[in-house]
Amino acid sequence: GAGVSQSPSNKVTEKGKDVELRCDPISGHTALYWYRQSLGQGLEFLIYFQGNSAPDKSGLPSDRFSAERTGGSVSTLTIQRTQQEDSAVYLCASSLYGNEQFFGPGTRLTVL
Amino acid sequence: DQQVKQNSPSLSVQEGRISILNCDYTNSMFDYFLWYKKYPAEGPTFLISISSIKDKNEDGRFTVFLNKSAKHLSLHIVPSQPGDSAVYFCAARRTGQNFVFGPGTRLSVLP
Repeated sequence: GAGVSQSPSNKVTEKGKDVELRCDPISGHTALYWYRQSLGQGLEFLIYFQGNSAPDKSGLPSDRFSAERTGGSVSTLTIQRTQQEDSAVYLCASSLYGNEQFFGPGTRLTVL
Repeated sequence: DQQVKQNSPSLSVQEGRISILNCDYTNSMFDYFLWYKKYPAEGPTFLISISSIKDKNEDGRFTVFLNKSAKHLSLHIVPSQPGDSAVYFCAARRTGQNFVFGPGTRLSVLP
């Protein structure tokens, strides 16, 4: 079956612009996660959606970052007024009942 | 404060030998642990898991060992193959909470 997909695969933007990153989780998976990985760093948790519960936003680094998950499926991560330190690979993962997470290929964001 | 640590940023092993990747955690309430493998330009892929009720789980060439008293787990790959060259992340969680990932160890298997 289809895995987790993310789009775009690469995004280059100018400092100060807004970007939207999309994640299509595995059908039926109740949990969806966003992480980012900066160069040479590990996975940094950003936000977690579980079913209809309020999302866990504890990992969002600033109020420029927001995410939504529509209809319990597709999720969009929005970064407003991008800064150069936002450059990273943004990874989305989904899981069934919070167990093993299946990751998408990531979106590489470069802020010039 | 890093709850999950992988103190070796990199490791090199000869093909055919054993690779041992280590992971330490600080939260004694963690009860489920995973290892992921990540190739460049790809998302991490799940490799193997272990529950805190076990001390060993084996899947082919991959074995994960858990030492709860030491708050330590390790991943053994035997025999190592060049295709195993990747970054390996360990992750841990307490039931009902999110996984916490380590910073990763880059494994290079030399032919």
